[in-house]
Amino acid sequence: EAQVTQNPRYLITVTGKKLTVTCSQNMNHEYMSWYRQDPGLGLRQIYYSMNVEVTDKGDVPEGYKVSRKEKRNFPLILESPSPNQTSLYFCASSLLRGTDTQYFGPGTRLTVL
Amino acid sequence: AQTVTQSQPEMSVQEAETVTLSCTYDTSESDYYLFWYKQPPSRQMILVIRQEAYKQQNATENRFSVNFQKAAKSFSLKISDSQLGDAAMYFCACGNEKLTFGTGTRLTIIP
Repeated sequence: EAQVTQNPRYLITVTGKKLTVTCSQNMNHEYMSWYRQDPGLGLRQIYYSMNVEVTDKGDVPEGYKVSRKEKRNFPLILESPSPNQTSLYFCASSLLRGTDTQYFGPGTRLTVL
Repeated sequence: AQTVTQSQPEMSVQEAETVTLSCTYDTSESDYYLFWYKQPPSRQMILVIRQEAYKQQNATENRFSVNFQKAAKSFSLKISDSQLGDAAMYFCACGNEKLTFGTGTRLTIIP
């Protein structure tokens, strides 16, 4: 089944404790992206990647890192999480470009205490 | 910078009736696309409809259609014959490689 998977689905952590949210797609998509969703703010793009080893900043990249060492994986790294990074995070992928249909993962609910 | 504005935080419609959700945008890109995504209570984001800005013809997908007014930078979504399963948050988005989403409109369907 074609899908985007994220792990973990739920995470509660404390300020400053490094964490990684994994994202994997099995559709051989070139483009992958991370978004955060906050009430009243909609979805905001954090980072995107157009291919292996090619990443670029979205609208809210501060406090986040990403890597794209393999086509299928696009992990989101929070080196020193803070409470303002408490949010719902979505990973998405599309065939070639951001303008192709994006397939979203199920979301990761992150709480930083 | 791109901006997307959805001025209706909530809308409701009677089942089987028609409803229109508004979206305005601003972008400096010459080549861009516009999207409507649906997020039901399951939180899964699902593409509803996609419009290439250089195409003048409005996109249509079954009961969903758009009214794209490029000069006015407007991209509204019309849902015809509303069904209970249409109840969701609807997000408008604009962009090229970098996408900007609006804040969403919560649509309620009244049986």
